[in-house]
Amino acid sequence: NAGVTQTPKFQVLKTGQSMTLQCAQDMNHEYMSWYRQDPGMGLRLIHYSVGAGITDQGEVPNGYNVSRSTTEDFPLRLLSAAPSQTSVYFCASSYQSQETQYFGPGTRLLVL
Amino acid sequence: GEDVEQSLFLSVREGDSSVINCTYTDSSSTYLYWYKQEPGAGLQLLTYIFSNMDMKQDQRLTVLLNKKDKHLSLRIADTQTGDSAIYFCAAGAGSYQLTFGKGTKLSVIP
Repeated sequence: NAGVTQTPKFQVLKTGQSMTLQCAQDMNHEYMSWYRQDPGMGLRLIHYSVGAGITDQGEVPNGYNVSRSTTEDFPLRLLSAAPSQTSVYFCASSYQSQETQYFGPGTRLLVL
Repeated sequence: GEDVEQSLFLSVREGDSSVINCTYTDSSSTYLYWYKQEPGAGLQLLTYIFSNMDMKQDQRLTVLLNKKDKHLSLRIADTQTGDSAIYFCAAGAGSYQLTFGKGTKLSVIP
């Protein structure tokens, strides 16, 4: 198993540009989540999904959209990037709510 | 919502024990985790404890939970330089909906 994969590893955007951060897992996990990590802030939950077709907002959802059309993929879309979205983004998945989460390697995003 | 607090820095000498403390506010949090993050890397699950447990030991790691005080601690025995990293405490009602602390940077002095 490849586990949780994220692409790209690093991205530079200009303010106002849009992009999609990709996340995929090959473990048939039902639950997937997106977090952002900022210096001194720990990780904060952006959006999560408990299964294909089901998504919900986390602590900091503004400026981000998600969809879950398949069990494997959970892309995170930035519709109009802002400098405040400069961060490291982590995707995570787990089999059930009782199971531990596996984290991807992260995507470093810089918005100029 | 849940709030998780932990001290930001800890420095110990190689071979000593490290104790990283964490407090949380939501008594309904049933899943409590410790993650390790090395520079430039993702999060690695170290250990976890459920709210119906008081203690869990896994090799050099011991987790203690005081539900009454909502206090969680991670003890690393015989701390090595390879243990230098940021340690995150996380709590939540489900593994996919966790609230993380800001992380404790552990520095191990040779």
